[in-house]
Amino acid sequence: SQQGEEDPQALSIQEGENATMNCSYKTSINNLQWYRQNSGRGLVHLILIRSNEREKHSGRLRVTLDTSKKSSSLLITASRAADTASYFCATSGYSGAGSYQLTFGKGTKLSVIP
Amino acid sequence: EAQVTQNPRYLITVTGKKLTVTCSQNMNHEYMSWYRQDPGLGLRQIYYSMNVEVTDKGDVPEGYKVSRKEKRNFPLILESPSPNQTSLYFCASSWAAGADTQYFGPGTRLTVL
Repeated sequence: SQQGEEDPQALSIQEGENATMNCSYKTSINNLQWYRQNSGRGLVHLILIRSNEREKHSGRLRVTLDTSKKSSSLLITASRAADTASYFCATSGYSGAGSYQLTFGKGTKLSVIP
Repeated sequence: EAQVTQNPRYLITVTGKKLTVTCSQNMNHEYMSWYRQDPGLGLRQIYYSMNVEVTDKGDVPEGYKVSRKEKRNFPLILESPSPNQTSLYFCASSWAAGADTQYFGPGTRLTVL
């Protein structure tokens, strides 16, 4: 399994600060995705970065991918209280028979204090 | 509105009583999957389907069944639920087999007594 592992498990910051979460994985991937989950709700896709990409931006989000270190980071700039949620990285790798499997990490719980 | 729906959203049942959680998507996605989420364990894939009549096991398939008779529907069946299947369940769909953005349903919180 190429399950991603997020770090830290929990992060608490003040509103306006930047939040950085990291994800490490073990085997080669096709792409890496970040998702957000508000308490007990469904996951919402944030950003997808392919294995041949190094950096991607979407609004206040910046994702980097270092395939040599098998790691990715998610940066949320100028955080808001509404960013409070759990953030998951998911790695997509070839699982055989023309299929790719998406494997999720355990998540980072972000708390943004107003 | 593009969405994945699940029913029921909450369910309390007893050991051994067969149940079905429905999942439906209106985006004409080929790929659908089921996950369970447990504290400290993250999301784990139960079953997935690459297309109609094509299903395969994920990481934790024991105790579950699925079917894919229509493209839009992917029900999860627990023939004889046990307390260790108490969990939060999510259905998801996407265009491509696991290599694409997944669209998640709102979740079904199941308690087996």
